[in-house]
Amino acid sequence: NAGVTQTPKFQVLKTGQSMTLQCAQDMNHNSMYWYRQDPGMGLRLIYYSASEGTTDKGEVPNGYNVSRLNKREFSLRLESAAPSQTSVYFCASSEAHSTSYEQYFGPGTRLTVT
Amino acid sequence: GEDVEQSLFLSVREGDSSVINCTYTDSSSTYLYWYKQEPGAGLQLLTYIFSNMDMKQDQRLTVLLNKKDKHLSLRIADTQTGDSAIYFCAERDYGQNFVFGPGTRLSVLP
Repeated sequence: NAGVTQTPKFQVLKTGQSMTLQCAQDMNHNSMYWYRQDPGMGLRLIYYSASEGTTDKGEVPNGYNVSRLNKREFSLRLESAAPSQTSVYFCASSEAHSTSYEQYFGPGTRLTVT
Repeated sequence: GEDVEQSLFLSVREGDSSVINCTYTDSSSTYLYWYKQEPGAGLQLLTYIFSNMDMKQDQRLTVLLNKKDKHLSLRIADTQTGDSAIYFCAERDYGQNFVFGPGTRLSVLP
């Protein structure tokens, strides 16, 4: 099992460009999440999807959109990138009926917006 | 809103014990977690504790939970250089919400 995979690993964008970050999990989890990690601020939730076909805003959703394409895949789109979106982006998944509800994380996408 | 606080840095000597502390505000937390992040990698679950427990031990790791003070700690015995990483405290409430602390960067000195 690959767990949670993310592409790309690194990306540099110019202000105003758009891009989609891809995430897939092979653990048959219902819930998937997108976080951003900034120094000294921990992880902040951008959007999450409790199950296929549903998405909800997290703490910092402005400037982002998401699509839960199917149970495996959850993508994050930046329509018009801004320097404030320079960050490391992590996708995670979890199973609501597991013993510990733990989240499994992908390796991250390092995004720089110039 | 919910908040999780941690000190940002901790340095210890190899072989000593490390204690990383965390405080949280949400009294409805059901599970509390410790995650480890090594450089350039995602977060990996180290251990977790259910809110009705006071202590959990797993090899070199000991988690202590004081529900009254909303204080969680992670003790790493016999700290090694491979333990150098960022450690995140996180809590989960009755819904789907996970809240992470800012992370404590542990440096292990030889």
